[in-house]
Amino acid sequence: SAVISQKPSRDICQRGTSLTIQCQVDSQVTMMFWYRQQPGQSLTLIATANQGSEATYESGFVIDKFPISRPNLTFSTLTVSNMSPEDSSIYLCSVVGLAGIKRDNEQFFGPGTRLTVL
Amino acid sequence: GQSLEQPSEVTAVEGAIVQINCTYQTSGFYGLSWYQQHDGGAPTFLSYNALDGLEETGRFSSFLSRSDSYGYLLLQELQMKDSASYFCAVLDAGNMLTFGGGTRLMVKP
Repeated sequence: SAVISQKPSRDICQRGTSLTIQCQVDSQVTMMFWYRQQPGQSLTLIATANQGSEATYESGFVIDKFPISRPNLTFSTLTVSNMSPEDSSIYLCSVVGLAGIKRDNEQFFGPGTRLTVL
Repeated sequence: GQSLEQPSEVTAVEGAIVQINCTYQTSGFYGLSWYQQHDGGAPTFLSYNALDGLEETGRFSSFLSRSDSYGYLLLQELQMKDSASYFCAVLDAGNMLTFGGGTRLMVKP
């Protein structure tokens, strides 16, 4: 399986500021996604990061709040803008379509970024 | 949209067998996946069912009945390291996953 890294692994931020989270994969992938997970809760899909075009957002998530970039097939960023304590969560990227993986819809997750907003 | 139901917690003893059920309501269904997540870790893929029936992978098996919108994950010969959260997730035609609320499995000695 591929190596998926996220930076930062954790951060503590002040309300009103923004944080950009990076997701790097060591091989090209077809699809990249961003999820949010409150501690002890399930995963909620924020958006699909599309290479070379605007991300596709799920209901309840908007581009102004969560701008996403995907400049190539191995890298994506998620920005959490104008943060409030309600944004405290774990943010995970996931990828699909790794070369050599038999099941091409199997999702692989990054280690996550634990964000605390004060 | 999608909605999935699974028990919030299950407790079992080492060496036992446990079954985690998942029912779903969906507007578009491609398959049912199961993921394991240890505390502080990332979800990892366990199994996937697109067709009715049982899929076996070592100690873990997963079952799907599309007509009943129901599936389960079966864990055999439980070990302490199996203590984790288990999520069922519906996969749609766009390769997007919708996750259930998760089942926290506690394995006791």
